Formats: sequence, C-alpha cells, structure tokens
Amino acid sequence: NAGVTQTPKFQVLKTGQSMTLQCAQDMNHEYMSWYRQDPGMGLRLIHYSVGAGITDQGEVPNGYNVSRSTTEDFPLRLLSAAPSQTSVYFCASSYSLLSSGQGAFGDYGYTFGSGTRLTVV
Amino acid sequence: GQQVMQIPQYQHVQEGEDFTTYCNSSTTLSNIQWYKQRPGGHPVFLIQLVKSGEVKKQKRLTFQFGEAKKNSSLHITATQTTDVGTYFCSKNNFNKFYFGSGTKLNVKP
Repeated sequence: NAGVTQTPKFQVLKTGQSMTLQCAQDMNHEYMSWYRQDPGMGLRLIHYSVGAGITDQGEVPNGYNVSRSTTEDFPLRLLSAAPSQTSVYFCASSYSLLSSGQGAFGDYGYTFGSGTRLTVV
Repeated sequence: GQQVMQIPQYQHVQEGEDFTTYCNSSTTLSNIQWYKQRPGGHPVFLIQLVKSGEVKKQKRLTFQFGEAKKNSSLHITATQTTDVGTYFCSKNNFNKFYFGSGTKLNVKP
C-alpha cells in the first residue's frame, strides 16, 4: 500500500514548456485533488475530482488541466508554463463525502503525496 | 473569500511552553479538519471536528470546535521539539476543501 505517489519530485521548466505532474493512489479513494503551496499562502485548490470521469475547478485553475480516466490516477497538466507557476504541488486523495458517513470523510481526512517542487525559469 | 483565517502566522516558544493556534470562519462550518506539515514535508491529517462544542484530545494536543461552528482551536500542552511544523485548518464547501494559511510553530530546545 503505497498511498499517494507523485512524480517527479523536482522539475525545472522553461517558460512556455508543457509538462504533466503525475499522481496515483492505491487506496481506492474516490476523491482526488491538486493543491499548490506558496510561501505564506497556505494550500490553494487547483482542481478536484469526486470520481472517475468527473473533474471541477478549484480556487486557482487557470493554466492547469486535469483528467480522471481511472479511480487511481489524477494527472495535472501545465500547458504553457509561466514563472508564476513556480510552486510546490501536492496531490491528495480521500474517501468521498457520500461514502464516509457523518461529516466530510468520516475520520479519515486527506492523504497527501510527498509533493512536486516545480521551478519555471 | 472562501478561506478560513488562521492566527497567529508564526509562533516561537521555548520547549515546555504551551501553544495555541486559532481558525476562524465568517460562515458556519459543517466540519473542520486539522493538519500538520513538518518542514520540507507534506501535510498529514490530524483530526476532524463535526459537532458544535466538540473537544477531542490526542495526547498533548487538544482540538476544539466552537459552539457556533465558526471557529476552532488547536492547543498543544508542553511543546516538544517534535511539534515543530506548520499547522493548518481546513474547511469544506460543496466538495471543495479550503485551507487556512497556517501557523508556523518553532520550538527552542
């Protein structure tokens, strides 16, 4: 049981390049999401998915695309990287709101990946 | 906005002193979660509070949910160097989970 696996751990891109950050979970979690973390700004939600085939925007979706073709995988695509996208990116997963009983996620909360540190020059 | 407000932003304590971080929302919360992130690490789920006035304890950590479900607090008794990190609260709004900006705790040995 590996939990949430993110690759790569580090990446340097040139402005305008595209890339995909990979995220995979083996816990059969229905809910997956992507966050970016910048100094002093906490975690900001980029996109999320409540199940395979369903995605939606978070607080800061511009410049990012996602897809959810399987329960396990939730890749994040940067179409044309910009220096403003320099950040640490975290993927997270959890049981869905509907299947967890009282409150959100029951007593489980999010499981986060170890993060991808992205620098755009 | 959608986020929850956390204070203080930073807290420096001597080992053995107590520590408290507060999380406030302008709207009533259905629940609130707390996470800890060690330096260089990723956030780790600590606990979820659901009921008005709820108090939960985990060893030296005490979590409270306000009666009006608009605020929450995390209190650490007799801090240790292993408590160093950033503590985040998180709220959800229709499948979207928003995090506060966090309280960074530094513990001097």
